Amino acid sequence: KNQVEQSPQSLIILEGKNCTLQCNYTVSPFSNLRWYKQDTGRGPVSLTIMTFSENTKSNGRYTATLDADTKQSSLHITASQLSDSASYICGVYGNKLVFGAGTILRVKS
Amino acid sequence: EPEVTQTPSHQVTQMGQEVILRCVPISNHLYFYWYRQILGQKVEFLVSFYNNEISEKSEIFDDQFSVERPDGSNFTLKIRSTKLEDSAMYFCASSPTREDDEQYFGPGTRLTVT
Repeated sequence: KNQVEQSPQSLIILEGKNCTLQCNYTVSPFSNLRWYKQDTGRGPVSLTIMTFSENTKSNGRYTATLDADTKQSSLHITASQLSDSASYICGVYGNKLVFGAGTILRVKS
Repeated sequence: EPEVTQTPSHQVTQMGQEVILRCVPISNHLYFYWYRQILGQKVEFLVSFYNNEISEKSEIFDDQFSVERPDGSNFTLKIRSTKLEDSAMYFCASSPTREDDEQYFGPGTRLTVT
């Protein structure tokens, strides 16, 4: 069954600290993996999209990694800001986009 | 910057009524999608649409649901007879040229069925 699992479920960090979110997937076939940021009550906004051959991709303070052999991805957020507080969702595209449940990140001052 | 728009932002309807959710995808995009997100749960794929026909649909997208592109700009999701469990956020998305391209999401329509 095509599934995307994310951990942790939620996370609280201090402003300025780094954090890493995890995503494991069993989606097959695999086309690409995306990370999205979703603010409460809003639509997901793309952070990165990675294909099979890409190991690392950065977008400002966000860096995503992909290990297609182990079917794992991570999203690293550097020097967190209060505005980073949101849900971070991993999505894997096979023949449709399958989402994980997300990690709720709260950055506090 | 072009963006996907959705109307209304919030729709309240009674059980058994028909609702139509509207979306204007990004101009020149070719692929269109509907997703739903029940409060506190994950975003779920409903349907993808290309070249005026459904290209993929999930098991959620049963006979109560239909999609249409009535003109060159709008993309609609119709629920024929709403149920309480249809209450959710409904997101429209579009992608440019390939189905596995980046998808751009709209702000969503919150549907409340009473």
